Amino acid sequence: QLQLQESGPGLVKPSETLSLICTVSGGSISSSSYFWGWIRQPPGKGLEWIGSIYSSGTTYYKPSLKSRVTISVDMSKKQISLKLSSVTAADTAVYYCARLVDKRLDYWGQGNLVTVSS
Amino acid sequence: EIVMTQSPASLSVSPGERATLSCRVSQSISSNLAWYQQKPGQAPRLLIYGASIRATGIPARFSGSGSGTEFTLTISSLQSEDVAVYYCHQYNNWHTFGQGTKVEIK
Repeated sequence: QLQLQESGPGLVKPSETLSLICTVSGGSISSSSYFWGWIRQPPGKGLEWIGSIYSSGTTYYKPSLKSRVTISVDMSKKQISLKLSSVTAADTAVYYCARLVDKRLDYWGQGNLVTVSS
Repeated sequence: EIVMTQSPASLSVSPGERATLSCRVSQSISSNLAWYQQKPGQAPRLLIYGASIRATGIPARFSGSGSGTEFTLTISSLQSEDVAVYYCHQYNNWHTFGQGTKVEIK
């Protein structure tokens, strides 16, 4: 059974960089059939797409976040990373990683709450 | 950006009754729409993709319909475990989500 697990700091200071890692187990990360994505959810609110990455390393970012987001993949460690720079309180959210199959999200991690506060 | 509008914002249904959730899209997306269920404190779970295809392991009481700009998720006989927020997601042109419909037991 495929499992995704996000990890990283729960608290980040304003203007700093948020860094999260998603570790994949129980399945392949390198298959050409899959993309890997990051989605976030502010407390009590809806879902927001951040971006995605293909096994080749090709990335796609939400335009409004593009200048601050970097998604990368480490095949050897079976990890997908997310970096979001210059964070503000508006970036406080639960951050999810997920697998995309034909653009739908079929497996999700449990999420990692990141609070931006000094 | 494609805008997704879900209605109603919340829905209270008696056990065993039908729940009908709507998702309207600002431009045609063919059948490139998915529905997710999110229970409190949990990650979303894929229910429906391709507007009407049930994901693996999803009970038959969940069904999806529609194409273009109007989509519906129907829970034919609501169970207590179906209490959740339901989100639609279009993946025809980038990715956007609706704001969610909260389903409660009456």
